[in-house]
Amino acid sequence: AQSVTQLDSQVPVFEEAPVELRCNYSSSVSVYLFWYVQYPNQGLQLLLKYLSGSTLVKGINGFEAEFNKSQTSFHLRKPSVHISDTAEYFCAVSDGYNQGGKLIFGQGTELSVKP
Amino acid sequence: KAGVTQTPRYLIKTRGQQVTLSCSPISGHRSVSWYQQTPGQGLQFLFEYFSETQRNKGNFPGRFSGRQFSNSRSEMNVSTLELGDSALYLCASSIAGTDYNEQFFGPGTRLTVL
Repeated sequence: AQSVTQLDSQVPVFEEAPVELRCNYSSSVSVYLFWYVQYPNQGLQLLLKYLSGSTLVKGINGFEAEFNKSQTSFHLRKPSVHISDTAEYFCAVSDGYNQGGKLIFGQGTELSVKP
Repeated sequence: KAGVTQTPRYLIKTRGQQVTLSCSPISGHRSVSWYQQTPGQGLQFLFEYFSETQRNKGNFPGRFSGRQFSNSRSEMNVSTLELGDSALYLCASSIAGTDYNEQFFGPGTRLTVL
């Protein structure tokens, strides 16, 4: 069964600093990877997804992630964070075949941006 | 286009009762998935419905059930509520219910069991 590990439960960072949120997944023949963001009292919003092709994926709000098959990682990065990026971030995986809309989520990383 | 809506947004029940939560997907979306979010267990997949049929099911007891109507609206039901069922229940809709179709999430229903 697929599993996702987010290596940091909390990441404090100062405004305008770079940030990396780490995500590792269990390997599979075929895998699709996602990053979602959740603001307080809201649902999840898709930041970016990797399906195939280029290993560097760009998403909304200036975020990007790099798929590394050999290290089974999909780390999320932003070169300069804003206060408004404070939220919880979830890495998710689907192994595609026969899974339909089922996503397996990591435990989440709480990003706290300080002025 | 209106987003995914969930009703009610907040619910308080007592142990032993049952509850029904509703999810209206984005117009044109045929797949609805349900997730339970708790501080301890995180986000866990409950089940997915596509064209009125349950296509996938997570590892939850039979007290958790769902259905989907011909207009793609979905309901989930939890019978004989337990304290541990307190959670944020999220539904997500997508066009065709494949994993590479973006899933759009609703704001969730926060269930508190006393």
